[in-house]
Amino acid sequence: DIQMTQSPSTLSASVGDRVTITCRASQNISTWLAWYQQKPGKAPHLLIYKASSLESGVPSRFSGSGSGTEFTLTISSLQPDDFATYYCQQYNNYWTFGQGTKVDIK
Amino acid sequence: EVQLVESGGGLVQPGGSLRLSCAASGFTFSNYAVSWVRQAPGERLEWVSSISASGISAFYADSVKGRFTISRDNSKNTLYLQMNSLRAEDTAVYYCAKGESIALHFDFWGQGTLVTVSS
Repeated sequence: DIQMTQSPSTLSASVGDRVTITCRASQNISTWLAWYQQKPGKAPHLLIYKASSLESGVPSRFSGSGSGTEFTLTISSLQPDDFATYYCQQYNNYWTFGQGTKVDIK
Repeated sequence: EVQLVESGGGLVQPGGSLRLSCAASGFTFSNYAVSWVRQAPGERLEWVSSISASGISAFYADSVKGRFTISRDNSKNTLYLQMNSLRAEDTAVYYCAKGESIALHFDFWGQGTLVTVSS
């Protein structure tokens, strides 16, 4: 099984901050990686797929990069609507998720 | 507007059974793979099962293999998950999600249905 590990688990930030979340895979997954945003009591929402492709309708302040085993999600200027939990997901071999990174207000 | 609406969740005793449904609308259901993903309280998302657009191919997580069965009725635009021999650790919100292909990411998710396994 491919294990996904995110860091940090919690991140405190202010509106306007640049935020970076890291996701590491236990083995090479090429660029078969997606990022999702989830708010409390809501379904996950796709942000990024194939490591760096922005889903239609997602603001351009979100970006993804990486390949192989190390990936990052960057929010260039944090907005009030962005306080949420973010999950990475590999789909190179079935599907597994990271443990999540909660972005809260500093 | 794309919609996925799950139903069928509830309280069930250990060893019991439950069937979840996911009604799809706003897109051509028969063209998309669909999956079930669950989330236990305070835990990460966990993939459960996926089925191809035609229904020919199905895949299961080891944690549910032999107990859960995924199926779909493309004439009714509905996805199902038959859950048997339920355990306390199956307690979670169950989401259905769609993807362009069986091998890809999930581009839209339903709002979920809560399954609680407890005596």
